[in-house]
Formats: sequence, structure tokens, C-alpha cells
Amino acid sequence: GAVVSQHPSRVICKSGTSVKIECRSLDFQATTMFWYRQFPKQSLMLMATSNEGSKATYEQGVEKDKFLINHASLTLSTLTVTSAHPEDSSFYICSARDWGQTYEQYFGPGTRLTVT
Amino acid sequence: AQTVTQSQPEMSVQEAETVTLSCTYDTSESDYYLFWYKQPPSRQMILVIRQEAYKQQNATENRFSVNFQKAAKSFSLKISDSQLGDAAMYFCAYRGGSEKLVFGKGTKLTVNP
Repeated sequence: GAVVSQHPSRVICKSGTSVKIECRSLDFQATTMFWYRQFPKQSLMLMATSNEGSKATYEQGVEKDKFLINHASLTLSTLTVTSAHPEDSSFYICSARDWGQTYEQYFGPGTRLTVT
Repeated sequence: AQTVTQSQPEMSVQEAETVTLSCTYDTSESDYYLFWYKQPPSRQMILVIRQEAYKQQNATENRFSVNFQKAAKSFSLKISDSQLGDAAMYFCAYRGGSEKLVFGKGTKLTVNP
């Protein structure tokens, strides 16, 4: 089946620094990737939709300048958390939609971000 | 906007028994997909089953089946012959024309040996 990877799986950074999370589709081309945030014991909340070669579409309430998304190729999207603060600590999950599929999103294993 | 409601924060079932997880949704769209995802402690989201709204027949995947009631906007998941490995968070999700997935709050399933 289709595989989506995320790197890193865990990251700890200091307040005020930036951190980049990569999401890769390993065996298919993903014209669209999605970024989610999940707080402990809560559901997934969509942050933004990333389309290859164009600007990301952010959900209401998500700060575009804090969460920079780049989808430079059909297999890679990146999420950069800029000037991170402790409240940005969370579990970030990406998913990718196969260009050839009509309904399925494949999820990455997630990235645990801790801001100290 | 579409909403998905899972009214059971937690459920438990004895191993080998059957359990049903509830999900209702609200939408004005006529063409959409519904999904059940499993999230074990590893946090990896795993697709359990999907249902296309235009199909009247309920989807089935081995021990997992759904009861899709389109008019009632209900989409429950039945797990038969429950196994210890079924213990996880289960999320019901809706996908309409926007391609975005809208998730319910989840149901934590415990399987007792």
C-alpha cells in the first residue's frame, strides 16, 4: 500500500526557534497533502491543505506566518513552525492524497513537537 | 459546515464479542464519503473501512462492517469477534466535495481479555 513518511518523528526545540517537519509520499505522487494537529486525547484538526506548486490554504484560526507550508514537489511537503512557543507543542500529522485515487488519504506516522 | 459526532467517548468489549461504535454527521451535500479510522497507541492513523454515500450496500471488511443510514445521517461501525489488537481510538470521518476530512472526537475502545 501507499506509504507516507514524516521526519523527524520527535523533536524538541527551544522557545523562539523554528523547526521544520517533512512529509514524503514514498511510492506515489501526491498533488495534495494535508497537515493536521492533534492535542492529547483529542481529535485531528486540519491546519492547512497543501497543493504542489501553489500556496497552501489555511483553515480559519491558523496563523499563516507561524506555520509555513511548502509543497515544492509531488512527493514532499514541509511544515515549518516559526518562532515556536510552548503552546505549539503538539502532535503533527500529515496525509497525502494519491493522484490516482478518488477517495483515499494516506497518513504519515506523525511528529511529536515539544517546545521548551 | 459539515460536522461529525461520536457520542461515545469510551466503549469496552470482551474479547470475541461484538461492539458497535456510533457516528452521526450533518451535511447538505449529496455526494460524499464516510470513513472509520483506527489510531492505536503508536498514533499511526489506519483506515478501517470506507463507505461511498451513493452506495446503498453497507461496506464490510472482514470483521468490520458498517450500518450506513443515509436519511438518518448515521454511520455506525460494528466490530465482530473483537480481538485485543482492536483496542485503539476510533475516529469517524466525513469527506465531501472539498476533499477535506472532518473528524469526530473519537471513541476509545478497550478490549477486555
